[in-house]
This record gives sequence, C-alpha cells and structure tokens, in this order.
Amino acid sequence: DAGVIQSPRHEVTEMGQEVTLRCKPISGHNSLFWYRQTMMRGLELLIYFNNNVPIDDSGMPEDRFSAKMPNASFSTLKIQPSEPRDSAVYFCASSGDMGAEKLFFGSGTQLSVL
Amino acid sequence: AQSVTQLDSHVSVSEGTPVLLRCNYSSSYSPSLFWYVQHPNKGLQLLLKYTSAATLVKGINGFEAEFKKSETSFHLTKPSAHMSDAAEYFCVVTGGSYIPTFGRGTSLIVHP
Repeated sequence: DAGVIQSPRHEVTEMGQEVTLRCKPISGHNSLFWYRQTMMRGLELLIYFNNNVPIDDSGMPEDRFSAKMPNASFSTLKIQPSEPRDSAVYFCASSGDMGAEKLFFGSGTQLSVL
Repeated sequence: AQSVTQLDSHVSVSEGTPVLLRCNYSSSYSPSLFWYVQHPNKGLQLLLKYTSAATLVKGINGFEAEFKKSETSFHLTKPSAHMSDAAEYFCVVTGGSYIPTFGRGTSLIVHP
C-alpha cells in the first residue's frame, strides 16, 4: 500500500479564495482524521470520520471549514473563503480501529494564504 | 475526558548521551498510549505503542517507554542519542472516546 496520500503538497492562495485539500486513506482503514498543525497551537484535531460518517467535528474552527467523505477511499477538507490565519500544515491520518490502533499520517499539505 | 502534558517543549542533549522526554496523561478509561516522531517537513511516524500489555514498551530506533499508572506517566527514553534523532516528538493518549489526543510536542535537539 502507498500509505495515506494527500494532495496537493503545497498550496499558495490569496485571501478569499476557496481551497480544497484531498486525502486518500489506506485501503481497509475505517477511521479518518484531519489535523491542523501550527507553531502557535500545535496539532489540532479538526474532524474525525468513522465508516465515512463524521463522528466529531468540534474542532472545525468555523463555518468556513467543511469536510466530506463520500466513500471509504476519499476525503476532502474545504476552506471557503480562506483567510491568512488558515495558513498551516494540514495532515490527514487513517486508522484501522478508531483511535485504538496507530494512526498512519500523510505527508501533509502546506497551505499559505496571502 | 483525556489530556496529555508534555513537560518540556525543548530538550537538548549531546550525541551519545541519554534521552528523556517526559509525558503525563489523564484518562477516564484504560488508555492506549503512543509516541510519534516528526522529522522536519515530514508526516508523523509511530515510534511505539502501549495497550495494557507489558508496561515497558520497546519501539523503533532504540527508543522505549515505560507506562507507570501510579504516576500517570509514559516517558520516552533512549540510552544514547544519535544526530538523526533530532526531531519533534508527540505523546498521544486514546481513551474511551477512541479519539487520539496529542500533546504539544517536544523538540529534541542533538549536539555533536
């Protein structure tokens, strides 16, 4: 398996634009997590899916953020409109047994909003 | 509820000397505990995991951690640091919610 695949690796956009981050989890994993990493706040859980259903989205900062998982092999995190304070590294991770098993992380998307 | 406290934001050691990265946790349930490592511009990689088996857990690259329930600690150690160990280390707890909670991270600096 190629591991968790995220795209794009880097995204530079202007304030107000829509940004879509993509994630392909490891085949067979039933849990998917989106995290945001910044120097100020560390790693923050944004949203957690189990069997394609959002279980906990309490970490989603505000209505500008939305996430979907239309099937077991694909998830998106969308920011609309984007703001400079959204600049961060966004990680997707998947797991085979909710959080009881280890997380497999993607390489992350470095987002810069100018 | 669950939480993780990594007691040091930075730890600096010389190559060849021991490493100690401290982690305390709280959990309402029997926890699963993990240590992850993140090298610069990389994703996180699992170092080791504790899930109620042996209290001393051995991981990759010579790291190990000891689960001490009485102290609610899960400190990470390595007998001899190598330059390649320089990275960010995260302690993680998973309790009844099955949602992993990450510590703020400890940056390990290794001097030649």
